[in-house]
Amino acid sequence: SQTIHQWPATLVQPVGSPLSLECTVEGTSNPNLYWYRQAAGRGLQLLFYSVGIGQISSEVPQNLSASRPQDRQFILSSKKLLLSDSGFYLCAWSPLGQGDEKLFFGSGTQLSVL
Amino acid sequence: GESVGLHLPTLSVQEGDNSIINCAYSNSASDYFIWYKQESGKGPQFIIDIRSNMDKRQGQRVTVLLNKTVKHLSLQIAATQPGDSAVYFCAENKWNNAGNMLTFGGGTRLMVKP
Repeated sequence: SQTIHQWPATLVQPVGSPLSLECTVEGTSNPNLYWYRQAAGRGLQLLFYSVGIGQISSEVPQNLSASRPQDRQFILSSKKLLLSDSGFYLCAWSPLGQGDEKLFFGSGTQLSVL
Repeated sequence: GESVGLHLPTLSVQEGDNSIINCAYSNSASDYFIWYKQESGKGPQFIIDIRSNMDKRQGQRVTVLLNKTVKHLSLQIAATQPGDSAVYFCAENKWNNAGNMLTFGGGTRLMVKP
């Protein structure tokens, strides 16, 4: 069966520090991969998605970047965190292909920038 | 852009009663809809989905209804239990060249009173 791992679960970082969140998927090949952000009590905002190694699309301009160095690895990064980067970050995957694939989410990372 | 929205931000129900969570969508080209449940501090979990060629689909204690005429989606939970307390998101899936792109609504918080 497929599983998605996301870490760390919580992170407190000072303003201006770098960020690296990692997500890996097991049990599937060539997944679509996604990073979402969720502000407290709010909905989900799509940040990045990837349909293959090295292929990254950004949905909104921001202080963050994403990379996909391996087929089942997706990394969210920042060189210098801002206060506004605080939030709940979710990695997700879906099967590659057409139609109505569901998104499967990781357990999330609660990032607090102080 | 087009988006998925929700009528009620918070719904409080008595344990054992039925719950109905509503969602309005504006994209008439959307062909697939999903309901997710998100418990506090966790990633969203898939509940049930429905294609646009259907108007009703049932799962275990849950039913999703789709009214394409008025672009309305609802999630019905029978005999609501305390474990159903969570935030519920509807999402529409519109296929594009990048693959599976879900647009999420703002979410409804369901509170179950014992």
